[in-house]
Amino acid sequence: AQSVTQLDSQVPVFEEAPVELRCNYSSSVSVYLFWYVQYPNQGLQLLLKYLSGSTLVKGINGFEAEFNKSQTSFHLRKPSVHISDTAEYFCAVSDPNDYKLSFGAGTTVTVRA
Amino acid sequence: DTAVSQTPKYLVTQMGNDKSIKCEQNLGHDTMYWYKQDSKKFLKIMFSYNNKELIINETVPNRFSPKSPDKAHLNLHINSLELGDSAVYFCASSHGPSGYTFGSGTRLTVV
Repeated sequence: AQSVTQLDSQVPVFEEAPVELRCNYSSSVSVYLFWYVQYPNQGLQLLLKYLSGSTLVKGINGFEAEFNKSQTSFHLRKPSVHISDTAEYFCAVSDPNDYKLSFGAGTTVTVRA
Repeated sequence: DTAVSQTPKYLVTQMGNDKSIKCEQNLGHDTMYWYKQDSKKFLKIMFSYNNKELIINETVPNRFSPKSPDKAHLNLHINSLELGDSAVYFCASSHGPSGYTFGSGTRLTVV
């Protein structure tokens, strides 16, 4: 079974500053990794995913993430945030042999002017 | 066209009632899921169906019963609703384990 730990529950950040959201996973097998965003009172939207290949993954809205197998991490970054990036961010993992997507507890990002 | 659509979006009901939430996907995916998001925003899988067959059934009270009439639909029926059932329920679909699309959620409030 796999599990996901998001190391920061809340991240306040000023507009135009960079942000990094940390995610670590544990699994006995290779995994697929995802980041989802949930804007207030909305559903989940896929930001990016890592399935295989290049460890640097680019997603929507200027986000990117780096898969680090040795550190079992998949941290999400954005070089310059906007007020509209205020949301809940979820890291998730799935086993390629399984159909279950397991989520971390989420990180609340609040962008201030 | 919405890829994964859920109805209703909001549901307020009294304890002890029975209610259903419907989900439909038009992506041609083989697998559909129900997730529950609690008040602390934690997301946990409840059920998964692959081609109408139940493949994942997490530790969920048997008051919750999923039904999949075809691979494009997965409904969730809840009997004897309790206060603790209040949450946001998300339907999702996927083609294998590499890509999941979520619906916009159903906010269930039990009073």
